[in-house]
Amino acid sequence: EDQVTQSPEALRLQEGESSSLNCSYTVSGLRGLFWYRQDPGKGPEFLFTLYSAGEEKEKERLKATLTKKESFLHITAPKPEDSATYLCAVQSTSGTYKYIFGTGTRLKVLA
Amino acid sequence: GAVVSQHPSWVICKSGTSVKIECRSLDFQATTMFWYRQFPKQSLMLMATSNEGSKATYEQGVEKDKFLINHASLTLSTLTVTSAHPEDSSFYICSARVEGGKVNEQFFGPGTRLTVL
Repeated sequence: EDQVTQSPEALRLQEGESSSLNCSYTVSGLRGLFWYRQDPGKGPEFLFTLYSAGEEKEKERLKATLTKKESFLHITAPKPEDSATYLCAVQSTSGTYKYIFGTGTRLKVLA
Repeated sequence: GAVVSQHPSWVICKSGTSVKIECRSLDFQATTMFWYRQFPKQSLMLMATSNEGSKATYEQGVEKDKFLINHASLTLSTLTVTSAHPEDSSFYICSARVEGGKVNEQFFGPGTRLTVL
């Protein structure tokens, strides 16, 4: 059964304190792995798509990496405005286009 | 990025009434849209996949007669919660799939907060 697990569930960082969020997945065949940011009361905002092991994507203070079993979202020198829930989702090659979401990591960056 | 809108952003209704939520892709066409439900501090739960011109595909445990989905055009899908009850109160989010080659990301709407009294 396809499955996505995110850790930690919640994370508190001081401003400028770099860290990484983990997304472990089990899928029969990976079509893509997606990272989203979600602010309270809003829909998820697209961040990155990763397709194959070894791939990396960067956007401002965020960097996403992918292996055959997991993905990391690295946050470098975070700011309070980076506080949000970060969601990871995978799409398998099973023939449908639906996502399997992880439970998310709630990030709080303190000034 | 692709823009998806939802209307209304919030709605309060009485128990037993029906509520319709619209999801529109504003700057692209989407043959596939998705409807999710999200409870506080939980992740998104896929309810159904909406396909333009055909019947929606519902996830296990989702009542298709209660949550009616219509995808009548390439830019509009609607979710109607029929005979709503307090337990249907939730945050409903839609997404639309961007098609073409390797690219198949979903872009999400801002969500609709439904409160059933």
